[in-house]
Amino acid sequence: SQTIHQWPATLVQPVGSPLSLECTVEGTSNPNLYWYRQAAGRGLQLLFYSVGIGQISSEVPQNLSASRPQDRQFILSSKKLLLSDSGFYLCAWSVDREIRPQHFGDGTRLSIL
Amino acid sequence: ELKVEQNPLFLSMQEGKNYTIYCNYSTTSDRLYWYRQDPGKSLESLFVLLSNGAVKQEGRLMASLDTKARLSTLHITAAVHDLSATYFCAVDISTGGGADGLTFGKGTHLIIQP
Repeated sequence: SQTIHQWPATLVQPVGSPLSLECTVEGTSNPNLYWYRQAAGRGLQLLFYSVGIGQISSEVPQNLSASRPQDRQFILSSKKLLLSDSGFYLCAWSVDREIRPQHFGDGTRLSIL
Repeated sequence: ELKVEQNPLFLSMQEGKNYTIYCNYSTTSDRLYWYRQDPGKSLESLFVLLSNGAVKQEGRLMASLDTKARLSTLHITAAVHDLSATYFCAVDISTGGGADGLTFGKGTHLIIQP
């Protein structure tokens, strides 16, 4: 069966510090991968998606970036965090584009001080 | 730009009652998903609706899709406390060779009281 792992689960960072969140999927190959952000009490906003190694599409301009160095690995990064980057970050995957749902990881709760 | 609107955004109801959550979207799509989120947790897939007139049921929850009206409903029958959560609808309008992400509504925060 397929599983998705995200880490860390929680993170407290000062403004201006760098960020690296990692997501890996097991039990499948060539998944579509996604990063979403959920601000407190709000819906999910798509940040990035990837259909293959090295292929990244950005939905929202921001100081975040994403990379996909391996087939089942998706990384969310920032060089300098802003207060507005606080939120709940969720990684998701799907395989069959016609019959999703996307399956979500447990999320990373990021607090910027 | 696709817009997905849920209503109500907050709902407090008593156990045993019935209620419906509505999800309207602004662009043609025949793929709609419902998710559940418990406080502090990730999203759990509930229903996948892939065609006009699709109806899915699981326990006390039933979801339907009307693509002509661009409307999906999530109906709760004889609510129980365990159904308290936030419910999201999400719409997929990706076409061609892409695998675009989903566009989510703001969620309906449901509280079911004894």
